[in-house]
Amino acid sequence: GAVVSQHPSRVICKSGTSVKIECRSLDFQATTMFWYRQFPKQSLMLMATSNEGSKATYEQGVEKDKFLINHASLTLSTLTVTSAHPEDSSFYICSARDLAGGGGGQFFGPGTRLTVL
Amino acid sequence: GQQLNQSPQSMFIQEGEDVSMNCTSSSIFNTWLWYKQEPGEGPVLLIALYKAGELTSNGRLTAQFGITRKDSFLNISASIPSDVGIYFCAGPNYGGSQGNLIFGKGTKLSVKP
Repeated sequence: GAVVSQHPSRVICKSGTSVKIECRSLDFQATTMFWYRQFPKQSLMLMATSNEGSKATYEQGVEKDKFLINHASLTLSTLTVTSAHPEDSSFYICSARDLAGGGGGQFFGPGTRLTVL
Repeated sequence: GQQLNQSPQSMFIQEGEDVSMNCTSSSIFNTWLWYKQEPGEGPVLLIALYKAGELTSNGRLTAQFGITRKDSFLNISASIPSDVGIYFCAGPNYGGSQGNLIFGKGTKLSVKP
């Protein structure tokens, strides 16, 4: 149980285009999902908290107009990187809390490698 | 703000050796989590600790929640090549909202066959 999927796993795009990344909780419902970014050889940094049915909460320094988050259902959150630039190239990882499972454990998706040319 | 200090930063060991890594915090945590991340993958939860003094095992992995609630360690016994990866400790970000996590900087483990 507690499986989180992400799609796509890898994406290469041209500078100036937009990219959408999907995060799904496959066998549980998640009212809250989290989006992280990880640069090479670094730890995960929280970008935003995605709330089902309401606006996302962004961490300081993360532009909400550039990283659009939509939590349309209890099993799906999407992150859209708008007008992507090479500096947006990174590993994007989502996670979800399985509240039914109890505790503070979060379950992570496999990540999406974004490369902006 | 909250910070997690994880050590060592990296370890190079021989297959069969035991491994120990730890995580300390400047503030008290009510939950400690240990994750493993392999290249190109998301972190996988290994062990979750919810009570001070708790000692929990998962196969060859053992983790403890420190009595002061400001530290935790993870031990791996009889390491094997597939133990290679980056191990992160994590705890709730009490300064944030809705249960997000903060992470240590990770311990990169390399195992020589």
